[in-house]
Amino acid sequence: DAGVTQSPTHLIKTRGQQVTLRCSPKSGHDTVSWYQQALGQGPQFIFQYYEEEERQRGNFPDRFSGHQFPNYSSELNVNALLLGDSALYLCASSFDRANTEAFFGQGTRLTVV
Amino acid sequence: AQSVTQLGSHVSVSEGALVLLRCNYSSSVPPYLFWYVQYPNQGLQLLLKYTTGATLVKGINGFEAEFKKSETSFHLTKPSAHMSDAAEYFCAVSEGTSGTYKYIFGTGTRLKVLA
Repeated sequence: DAGVTQSPTHLIKTRGQQVTLRCSPKSGHDTVSWYQQALGQGPQFIFQYYEEEERQRGNFPDRFSGHQFPNYSSELNVNALLLGDSALYLCASSFDRANTEAFFGQGTRLTVV
Repeated sequence: AQSVTQLGSHVSVSEGALVLLRCNYSSSVPPYLFWYVQYPNQGLQLLLKYTTGATLVKGINGFEAEFKKSETSFHLTKPSAHMSDAAEYFCAVSEGTSGTYKYIFGTGTRLKVLA
């Protein structure tokens, strides 16, 4: 079992650009959540996808959007990048929106310059 | 909204000494509680979780935590620290509405193990 896989592992973008991050959930999981972890901070919830719909959203602007595909994989898109968007972006998966355990990927380190 | 407080952003212990990492939560309903560990440049790995039942929870790598409702605490302990335990530790509570949930994380405690 490959677990939760994210790509790319590292990314450098320029202010104002757009970025797409990708996540494949653990086998058997159908729910994907995205978190932003700024340096020295705990992860902050961005949003959750289930059945290809955004089910819940944290306190993030509309520049952050996502998508879930029929195979349960997911993308996180960030438009008009700001320096403050530099962070580790973590994807977590679970089964049927269960909150008893989420498996996290290794994350994508985004640096905005 | 729920919140998680981790006392001590940095904790240092000697190898072989007791590890105690503190976590307090605020919740109006019985919570699900988690401890995750993060090694440098890696994602989060689940150490242990409390959902229902026994309040003393055992996890991986010799860690355990006790849910104390009266103190709204979920402190993480390990009897004897090992050099490989050096990492960042996050306490989290799950918060759910309408069949969905999210995790609320504390700000983390960086554990340093001294030889």
